[in-house]
Amino acid sequence: DAGITQSPRHKVTETGTPVTLRCHQTENHRYMYWYRQDPGHGLRLIHYSYGVKDTDKGEVSDGYSVSRSKTEDFLLTLESATSSQTSVYFCATQGNGYNSPLHFGNGTRLTVT
Amino acid sequence: AQKVTQAQTEISVVEKEDVTLDCVYETRDTTYYLFWYKQPPSGELVFLIRRNSFDEQNEISGRYSWNFQKSTSSFNFTITASQVVDSAVYFCALSGEGSNYKLTFGKGTLLTVNP
Repeated sequence: DAGITQSPRHKVTETGTPVTLRCHQTENHRYMYWYRQDPGHGLRLIHYSYGVKDTDKGEVSDGYSVSRSKTEDFLLTLESATSSQTSVYFCATQGNGYNSPLHFGNGTRLTVT
Repeated sequence: AQKVTQAQTEISVVEKEDVTLDCVYETRDTTYYLFWYKQPPSGELVFLIRRNSFDEQNEISGRYSWNFQKSTSSFNFTITASQVVDSAVYFCALSGEGSNYKLTFGKGTLLTVNP
């Protein structure tokens, strides 16, 4: 597998606080993604990156920002957490071309109270 | 816009039954790729297969088989002689050309295989 580590694995936070989730990969993959998984919605793309400092919005990007200062790290920040952002967040990487399979991290379960 | 529809939200079968998970996709791209992922109860997402739009051959891997039909825009997944370990959520996904390269996922089908 692609050696993807997400941290933290679980987090409980209060409404209005900023939260940063980290994704670290060891495979030197160019493309990285953040998805959220919610019952009845499947996996929805939040933000993605196609290189260092190159990022773009996905379909559910409101309330989120990302940064990628190094190939191996992709950070997702909830600027001011809301209860609607309670979800499981998955990071994924993609190597060998942009139609190759995604490799996923183990997810971060975030609860906003 | 690309779209993937997995009409079956939940399926329940008894062990050793065959089961087919449906996937219907929409895209205007000529070249595209279809994927299946498995998410067992432990939560990780496991890649199962990738198919490109120019290869309509059916694929078989052990008890798993995939039927790709461009005429009906479908990429169905069959598990033969299901086992309890097959219990999982299964996602179908689509990747296209240009800016459509980002994977679009269906909402998933929860398969429960009962002993």
